[in-house]
Amino acid sequence: AQSVTQLDSHVSVSEGTPVLLRCNYSSSYSPSLFWYVQHPNKGLQLLLKYTSAATLVKGINGFEAEFKKSETSFHLTKPSAHMSDAAEYFCVVSEALGTGTASKLTFGTGTRLQVTL
Amino acid sequence: NAGVTQTPKFRVLKTGQSMTLLCAQDMNHEYMYWYRQDPGMGLRLIHYSVGEGTTAKGEVPDGYNVSRLKKQNFLLGLESAAPSQTSVYFCASSYWIGARWTPLHFGNGTRLTVT
Repeated sequence: AQSVTQLDSHVSVSEGTPVLLRCNYSSSYSPSLFWYVQHPNKGLQLLLKYTSAATLVKGINGFEAEFKKSETSFHLTKPSAHMSDAAEYFCVVSEALGTGTASKLTFGTGTRLQVTL
Repeated sequence: NAGVTQTPKFRVLKTGQSMTLLCAQDMNHEYMYWYRQDPGMGLRLIHYSVGEGTTAKGEVPDGYNVSRLKKQNFLLGLESAAPSQTSVYFCASSYWIGARWTPLHFGNGTRLTVT
């Protein structure tokens, strides 16, 4: 069975400083991995995805993540935080649901990013 | 192109009442999903559908029923609401291409409170 662990429930950074949100996963197969962002009272928006191509994945709004199979990690980074980055971030791993083609996403419990002046 | 639309946005129910949450998508996606989001637990899959007329159970299906009579709509029903069903419910959709699933597109959620 697959699982996702987000190592920090809350991260606080100053505007202009780097962001690191940590994620470890376990999966029996070659996983697809995603990071989603959720702003207050909104749905989830895809930041970036890893699907067995390049291990360094670039996403929207300057975020990127590196897939490290040896460490089973998929940490999210951004060089310089902006106030608008304050939100909750979810690391997600996907696998097949039965013999069909629907995907089951397993979500981490989320990391709330706070950005201060 | 509205994407995934959920109605209603908010609802308060009394224990034992019933209701239906509606999810509509205009992207012609085959797969649709209902998730619930609770503090500290991420999102958990309730039910999902791989196409019109088909539904299947996710990891937390008890107390819920679903129907997918039309490709664009996925309904989530609570027959007898319980306080444990107080949550934020998200609908999502996706499709299959190139041997991979596309990322899920999410609606903005329905906040349900059961008193």
